[in-house]
Amino acid sequence: DTAVSQTPKYLVTQMGNDKSIKCEQNLGHDTMYWYKQDSKKFLKIMFSYNNKELIINETVPNRFSPKSPDKAHLNLHINSLELGDSAVYFCASSQDLGAGELFFGEGSRLTVL
Amino acid sequence: GENVEQHPSTLSVQEGDSAVIKCTYSDSASNYFPWYKQELGKGPQLIIDIRSNVGEKKDQRIAVTLNKTAKHFSLHITETQPEDSAVYFCAASKGTGGFKTIFGAGTRLFVKA
Repeated sequence: DTAVSQTPKYLVTQMGNDKSIKCEQNLGHDTMYWYKQDSKKFLKIMFSYNNKELIINETVPNRFSPKSPDKAHLNLHINSLELGDSAVYFCASSQDLGAGELFFGEGSRLTVL
Repeated sequence: GENVEQHPSTLSVQEGDSAVIKCTYSDSASNYFPWYKQELGKGPQLIIDIRSNVGEKKDQRIAVTLNKTAKHFSLHITETQPEDSAVYFCAASKGTGGFKTIFGAGTRLFVKA
């Protein structure tokens, strides 16, 4: 049973399109995150939610809109995709805001043509 | 804000040798320092962590050291094996742990058989 699962694993789309990535965790954690990993492997936090409430928005363009319908799910919707959005997007969770360890999903590779 | 620098970016060792990866952080308030291993096509996974009230921690072939005064911390892998080949990330966070973890740029470790 995968602890943090995200779909789809691969996404190839044209510039200007809108796409979504879904994430679910079955660990009973309170806090979920979206990280972006660029082609040089640099990992940067985008958003953090705690019990469905937005905690961190790291100056991400408002074309990116996260949604947390419940504390086990955190989805990411991206409007008007740009070439620079091509990256691997990782969902992660932690027990709560005070817990150190992050549990990552396997990533969703987005390619914008 | 916090900045984490990691060196080297690439490290190649012979099987059985030791590998050392070094990180520095900028925010003296940081108090939690995890290390993550990312295998090809997977998400990062915690391998060891250390808190600021401890100078060294060991888990089998892996050890981490922390020098709070110099704001340095290091990962040491002894008796390396081919399966240790991966990208390793150091990270730092403060106060509430997983909340806003800042990652280093990663070290790609190759262990040659």
